[in-house]
Amino acid sequence: DIQLTQSPSFLSASVGDRVTITCRASQGVRSYLVWYQQKPGKAPNLLMYSASTLQNGVPSRFSGSGSGTEFTLTISSLQPEDFATYYCQQAKSYPITFGQGTRLEIK
Amino acid sequence: EVHLVESGGGLVQPGGSLRLSCAASGFTFGTFWMSWVRQAPGMGLEWVASIKPDGGEKLYVDAVKGRLTISRDNARNSLYLQMNSLRADDTAVYYCARLLCSASTCSTIYAYWGQGTLVTVSS
Repeated sequence: DIQLTQSPSFLSASVGDRVTITCRASQGVRSYLVWYQQKPGKAPNLLMYSASTLQNGVPSRFSGSGSGTEFTLTISSLQPEDFATYYCQQAKSYPITFGQGTRLEIK
Repeated sequence: EVHLVESGGGLVQPGGSLRLSCAASGFTFGTFWMSWVRQAPGMGLEWVASIKPDGGEKLYVDAVKGRLTISRDNARNSLYLQMNSLRADDTAVYYCARLLCSASTCSTIYAYWGQGTLVTVSS
């Protein structure tokens, strides 16, 4: 199984900050890497797929990069609605696996 | 507009059974792979099972093999998860999820999710 490790697990930041979340895969997943945002009590929301393709409707302050085993999700200027938990997911092979999550909180 | 609505969750004793349903609308259900993804309280996301559009292929995470069974009824636009021999560690919100696209080359990218249904396994 492909293990995904996100860092950090917890991040405290302020509105307007630039933040980066990293996702590392235990083996190469090429560009089959997906990012989701989840707010408390809600289902996950697709942000990005194929490592760097923004889902329709997602603000351009979100960007993604990477391939192989190391990936990043960057938010260029945090907005109040961005405080949430973020998950990466590999789409290369079954079993589908997710990272443990990065909780982004307001400083 | 795509809608996925789960139902059937509840409190069940260890060793018991439960059947979850997911009613789909707003798209041609019979052309999409569908999946169940769960989330234990305060924890991360875990893929549980997926089923091919025609129901001919089913995939499971090891932790549920032999106990949980995914199925679908394309005529009723519905996805199911039969849950048997339930354990405390099956306690979670169970989400029904649809892929971004229906092509055979489409990757496992979950673009649409239901609101989830909570399953609690406890005596």
